[in-house]
Amino acid sequence: EVQLVESGGGLVQPGGSLRLSCAASGFTFSTYAMGWVRQAPGKGLEWVSVISASGGSTFYADSVKGRFTVSRDNSENTLYLQMDGLRVEDTAVYYCAKDHGEPNYFDSWGQGTLVTVSS
Amino acid sequence: EIVLTQSPATLSLSPGERATLSCRASQSISSHLGWYQQKPGQAPRLLIYHASNRATGIPARFSGSGSGTDFTLTISSLEPEDFVIYYCQQRSNWPLTFGQGTRLEIK
Repeated sequence: EVQLVESGGGLVQPGGSLRLSCAASGFTFSTYAMGWVRQAPGKGLEWVSVISASGGSTFYADSVKGRFTVSRDNSENTLYLQMDGLRVEDTAVYYCAKDHGEPNYFDSWGQGTLVTVSS
Repeated sequence: EIVLTQSPATLSLSPGERATLSCRASQSISSHLGWYQQKPGQAPRLLIYHASNRATGIPARFSGSGSGTDFTLTISSLEPEDFVIYYCQQRSNWPLTFGQGTRLEIK
């Protein structure tokens, strides 16, 4: 059974940094692209980032480009999202998600971790 | 950026009825569209990928259709647990984008 467990969320001041982690199990992590999707309180889904299976290719939403960095450690089955220069509008639940066999659809999701950016 | 517009924003139906949810893309995305279901307090769940393919474990009452700019998610006979929020998502172009969602509520 696929399991994705996010951690690292919390309260941070504007301009601060956080690193989210997503521990994966139940599938061959190194063979799947992975993504991050966020959801502001009471709002819809917003795609944030995707990283290829090898980690050699990364893609970002314009809203986070230059501030967020996605990475992965295939030896540890862990996905990361380094978030710098956080803004109030980055407040959201952040989900990690596993790519489907068809690229860029997400067929398994974690439970999410809440990031709150506030002074 | 490809904008996905879902309609209606809210759909009021009764259990056992047929639901038809729409997703329109701002430009052609071929069949590169997925549908997700999100229950309160839970992560989204993939229902349909590539416009018309049911994801693993998804009941047969869920079906998807369409191509180009107009897509439909149909739920043939609504069960009580289906009254939640549905999102479409395109993968044709970067950035990936989601629609704003359709809330299915009990009439």
